Parts: sequence; structure tokens; C-alpha cells
Amino acid sequence: EIVLTQSPATLSLSPGERATLSCRASQSVSSYLAWYQQIPGQPPRLLIYDASNRATGIPARFSGSGSVTDFTLTISSLEPEDFAVYYCQQRSSWPLTFGGGTKVEIK
Amino acid sequence: QVQLVESGGGVVQPGRSLRLSCAASGFTFDTYGMHWVRQAPAKGLEWVAVIWYDGSDKFYADSVKGRFTISRDNSKNTLYLQMNSLRAEDTAVYYCTRDPRATSAGYFDYWGQGTLVTVSS
Repeated sequence: EIVLTQSPATLSLSPGERATLSCRASQSVSSYLAWYQQIPGQPPRLLIYDASNRATGIPARFSGSGSVTDFTLTISSLEPEDFAVYYCQQRSSWPLTFGGGTKVEIK
Repeated sequence: QVQLVESGGGVVQPGRSLRLSCAASGFTFDTYGMHWVRQAPAKGLEWVAVIWYDGSDKFYADSVKGRFTISRDNSKNTLYLQMNSLRAEDTAVYYCTRDPRATSAGYFDYWGQGTLVTVSS
């Protein structure tokens, strides 16, 4: 099973700041990595798939990069609605696995 | 618009069974793979199972293999999860999710609101 490790666990930032979230895989997942956003009390929402492709309707301030084992989700300028938990997920091999999440909180 | 509505959750004793349903609408159900993903209280996400668009193939997480069965009825636009031999560690919100492909791209582009399953004596 591929283990995904996200860091940091919590990121404390102010609106307007840049957020950089990391996801590291225990073995290569090529570019088969997605990012999801989960606001408390809501289901997750797909943000990025295949490492760098924005899903339908996702604002341009969200971007993904990386390949093989190291990936980054960047939020260029935090909006109030972006404070949430973010998960990475790999589809390179079964079972599909998620990282433990990064909480982006208001500083 | 795409809608996924789960039902069937509740409180169940350890060792008992429960069947979850997911009613799909707003898209051509029989052309998409479907998954169940769960989230234990205040915990992260765990993929549970996937089924191909036509039901011809299924995969499961090791934690549920042999106990849970995913199925679908394309004539009713409904996805199911039969859960047997339930354990306390199966307590979670269960989400029905759509895969962008007929077989499996392995991503989840639409999610239901979830149904809570609590396994407790």
C-alpha cells in the first residue's frame, strides 16, 4: 500500500497570504495524485487531479505541481472560504489511499 | 446537476449487518464507475470500494474485504454497499462518490453528503 504523508499538519496563515502544502508518497505514483478540500460539515471537493490539472469550476488561485513522490498544492492568495482541511490522494495503485490531511487555519 | 444521496445509515450492534444505498441523478449513471469512501469521526478519509460502470469488476480495501460487498442497479440508478460482520472500527460517515471514468480513473469528482454508520453495543 502506498503511504502518503502530508505536511505540515496545520498551517496558520492570514487571508491574502500564499499557502504551500506538501504531500510525499512512499513510492512513485507518477503524476497520479489528486487534491481535495474539505470544509467542516461538508463532503470533500476535488480540486486538482493528475498532479496539476484543476477540476471543473476550481479557481485559478489553486495550483498543483510535482511528480513521482513529491507534490505541492499552492493557494496563491488565501480567500476566507479557503480555510479548510486539504487531502492528497493517489490513484497509481490499489488500494487508493489518502494522506492524513493539512488543516489551513486563520492566523 | 449531479446529485448523490446516501441512505441506510444508523446505529447497529457489532457483528450485525447494514445496507447502504446511494441514489444518483443528473448524469448517465451506467457510464460511470462508482466508489464508497468513509471518514471516521474527526479522522481522515479512507477509500472503501469501487465498482465498474457495468458491475463487471470490483475492488475493496483490505480492511473490508470479505465483509463488505459493493453492487449497483443501473435500472434504478442506485449504488449499494452491503456491510456484514460490522466492527466498532467501521463507525464512520460513508460517502458515495462518482469516478470520472466508466471503469476507474481512481478519482472522485462528485460526492454525496454522506450517511453515518455507528457500530456500538
